[in-house]
Amino acid sequence: ETGVTQSPTHLIKTRGQQVTLRCSSQSGHNTVSWYQQALGQGPQFIFQYYREEENGRGNFPPRFSGLQFPNYSSELNVNALELDDSALYLCASSNMNTEAFFGQGTRLTVV
Amino acid sequence: AQSVTQPDIHITVSEGASLELRCNYSYGATPYLFWYVQSPGQGLQLLLKYFSGDTLVQGIKGFEAEFKRSQSSFNLRKPSVHWSDAAEYFCAVVPSGRGGGNKLTFGTGTQLKVEL
Repeated sequence: ETGVTQSPTHLIKTRGQQVTLRCSSQSGHNTVSWYQQALGQGPQFIFQYYREEENGRGNFPPRFSGLQFPNYSSELNVNALELDDSALYLCASSNMNTEAFFGQGTRLTVV
Repeated sequence: AQSVTQPDIHITVSEGASLELRCNYSYGATPYLFWYVQSPGQGLQLLLKYFSGDTLVQGIKGFEAEFKRSQSSFNLRKPSVHWSDAAEYFCAVVPSGRGGGNKLTFGTGTQLKVEL
């Protein structure tokens, strides 16, 4: 059984650019959720994908978007990057009635 | 909207001492409750969870937590702390019936330091 893997582990982007983060869900899981964790804060829910459809969204602007693929892997896309987007982005996989398992995260720095 | 409060931002304990980390939630109904641990620069590892049933739940690494409905609390405890327990601890909730690990609301975390 493989765990949740995220890529890349670290990323530096310039303000205004676009970024794509990737997540491979744990084997057997059909739900992927994305969280943003700013320095010194708890993770904040961005959105969730269940069977390739968005299934709930937190308080994030539309420039945060995502995809889920038939193999349940997922991407998080952020357009028009702002300095405040600098954070650890966490992916979590689960089934609808089980606990979430988190990946190691992608550290995004916007300069 | 539900919220989670972890009143202690930092806690320092001596190795071998007991530990209790506090968590209070605000929600209309009893949610599902979780404790996660995060080492520096790492993802979150699930320590334990409460869905229903016995209000004292056992987790990994010798941790336990007690759900107290009357106090809307879910405090994390460990009888004897090890130096490797130094990390940040997050309490999280999700509305019951919506699914165990989905759309979690996290507290702001408690940073645990262990003195040798």
